[in-house]
Amino acid sequence: DAGITQSPRHKVTETGTPVTLRCHQTENHRYMYWYRQDPGHGLRLIHYSYGVKDTDKGEVSDGYSVSRSKTEDFLLTLESATSSQTSVYFCATGGDTGELFFGEGSRLTVL
Amino acid sequence: AQSVTQLDSHVSVSEGTPVLLRCNYSSSYSPSLFWYVQHPNKGLQLLLKYTSAATLVKGINGFEAEFKKSETSFHLTKPSAHMSDAAEYFCVVSWGNFNKFYFGSGTKLNVKP
Repeated sequence: DAGITQSPRHKVTETGTPVTLRCHQTENHRYMYWYRQDPGHGLRLIHYSYGVKDTDKGEVSDGYSVSRSKTEDFLLTLESATSSQTSVYFCATGGDTGELFFGEGSRLTVL
Repeated sequence: AQSVTQLDSHVSVSEGTPVLLRCNYSSSYSPSLFWYVQHPNKGLQLLLKYTSAATLVKGINGFEAEFKKSETSFHLTKPSAHMSDAAEYFCVVSWGNFNKFYFGSGTKLNVKP
């Protein structure tokens, strides 16, 4: 257990509203990732971070932004949520050890 | 471009029979390879990983996988399925220095009594 906490775990919001998901880790891992999981697509990388204030885009980054001001926290923001962003979002940490550690997921529904 | 293909979206076996979940990857570079398992409404848990040591890798819960470079495959096997193995399994590949991971689309394993 890499001590990864995601919040909120469930959220329902309306189209056009901003949403922020938080990932908190207690293991001091350098790398942090945000993925979304949709049926038939596996997990797709949204953004990742390789250090404080160092982030990069993944394969599905449009409509999302991230911030990492502290080693332990990685925030994912949807500036203006759309129905296509309804998904389950997973935070993961790791990389240096050659494996990923996952949070329990955040289920987001955009109406 | 790197890609990971899981050849079966669903696999159904009877309890006590062997399990085979197939994974192929595309790249000319030596990868690191992983299998993760996801039980319903849970996060993903590492089953096993290959990082250029022995080609036959043993993982948790009796699972193992064999890295075959000539076939660019990393199939997951278990000699005897248990009801608790019912879950979704993901093949994951990483190239370079571990900072990017590529996921297959997943295989849902159903275990019949």
